[in-house]
Amino acid sequence: DAGITQSPRHKVTETGTPVTLRCHQTENHRYMYWYRQDPGHGLRLIHYSYGVKDTDKGEVSDGYSVSRSKTEDFLLTLESATSSQTSVYFCATETGDIRTAEAFFGQGTRLTVV
Amino acid sequence: AQTVTQSQPEMSVQEAETVTLSCTYDTSESDYYLFWYKQPPSRQMILVIRQEAYKQQNATENRFSVNFQKAAKSFSLKISDSQLGDAAMYFCAYRTHTGTASKLTFGTGTRLQVTL
Repeated sequence: DAGITQSPRHKVTETGTPVTLRCHQTENHRYMYWYRQDPGHGLRLIHYSYGVKDTDKGEVSDGYSVSRSKTEDFLLTLESATSSQTSVYFCATETGDIRTAEAFFGQGTRLTVV
Repeated sequence: AQTVTQSQPEMSVQEAETVTLSCTYDTSESDYYLFWYKQPPSRQMILVIRQEAYKQQNATENRFSVNFQKAAKSFSLKISDSQLGDAAMYFCAYRTHTGTASKLTFGTGTRLQVTL
């Protein structure tokens, strides 16, 4: 399995507080992604990165920001958490090799905003 | 924008029987990848099978096979000889066939129950 670690695995926070989720990979994969999973919606892309300091928005990026200062780390920040951001968050990585085209996922972070 | 549709929120199959999960997608591209991912209660996302759109032959991985109908934009997953361990949420996903970031697009999922 690809070495992708998400932290924390579970978090409960209050509305209005900032929250940062971390994704750490040991595979030297070029691409990293943050998805959120909600019942009835599948996984939806929040932000992604195609290299160090290179990031872009996904389909549900409002209220989220990201940073990637090192290849191995991709941080997702909720600037001011809201109840609508209660979800399970997944980090994923890809090598960038079109021949394999496989995404590897972390184990998810369950975030509850109360 | 690409969309992926899974019209079966839940399915049930008896152990040792065969079940087919449906997936349709919409795209204007001619070359792309399609995937089925399995998510057991552990939440881990596991790749089940992958299909490249330019390949006409349907992909097969042991008990898992797909029926890829490019013209109809359909990509169904067949699970043969179902086992209790197959019980999970199954997601169909689409990826563009380029060297850029893939931005996988997922369907809403089908929850598969396997009964004795």
